[in-house]
Amino acid sequence: DAGITQSPRHKVTETGTPVTLRCHQTENHRYMYWYRQDPGHGLRLIHYSYGVKDTDKGEVSDGYSVSRSKTEDFLLTLESATSSQTSVYFCAIRGDRVNTEAFFGQGTRLTVV
Amino acid sequence: RKEVEQDPGPFNVPEGATVAFNCTYSNSASQSFFWYRQDCRKEPKLLMSVYSSGNEDGRFTAQLNRASQYISLLIRDSKLSDSATYLCAVGRTGGFKTIFGAGTRLFVKA
Repeated sequence: DAGITQSPRHKVTETGTPVTLRCHQTENHRYMYWYRQDPGHGLRLIHYSYGVKDTDKGEVSDGYSVSRSKTEDFLLTLESATSSQTSVYFCAIRGDRVNTEAFFGQGTRLTVV
Repeated sequence: RKEVEQDPGPFNVPEGATVAFNCTYSNSASQSFFWYRQDCRKEPKLLMSVYSSGNEDGRFTAQLNRASQYISLLIRDSKLSDSATYLCAVGRTGGFKTIFGAGTRLFVKA
């Protein structure tokens, strides 16, 4: 299995509080992604990174920010959590070659109350 | 319209049946295609990549039709252990982004 871990695995937080999710990889892969998964919507891309300090928005980036200061870490921050951000969040990594597949972390189940 | 669309299912089939999943994509410049499997409350895992000429892995066959912009997955001789959600994924030109369909749930019954 690819070396990718997410933390925390579960979190309950209150509306309006900031939340940071961490994705850590040991594969030295260039590309890292944050997705959210909700019933009926599947996996939707929030943000992705193509190198240290190089990030871009995905389909559902509003309310989220990311940072990548090291190759191995990709952080997802909810500046002010809302109930609509209750979801399962998956981090994924991908190698440099074009058309290679993505490997996923185990997911973070976030509940905003 | 979503960029990648799948039949939401669920598909309920008996053991031994053949089941087919289809997935359509709207971006004609897409260049990489995949099928992932996701078990309940687990992360998606690659089932197989999809190549232009079609490819097979045991009971699983994947095909790509660029002209009609769809990919398919055929599972022959279904097993109980095939019960899962199957997600198609499409890589955009440039290869940075991978867009997923919503997934199709499969239940294989004894």
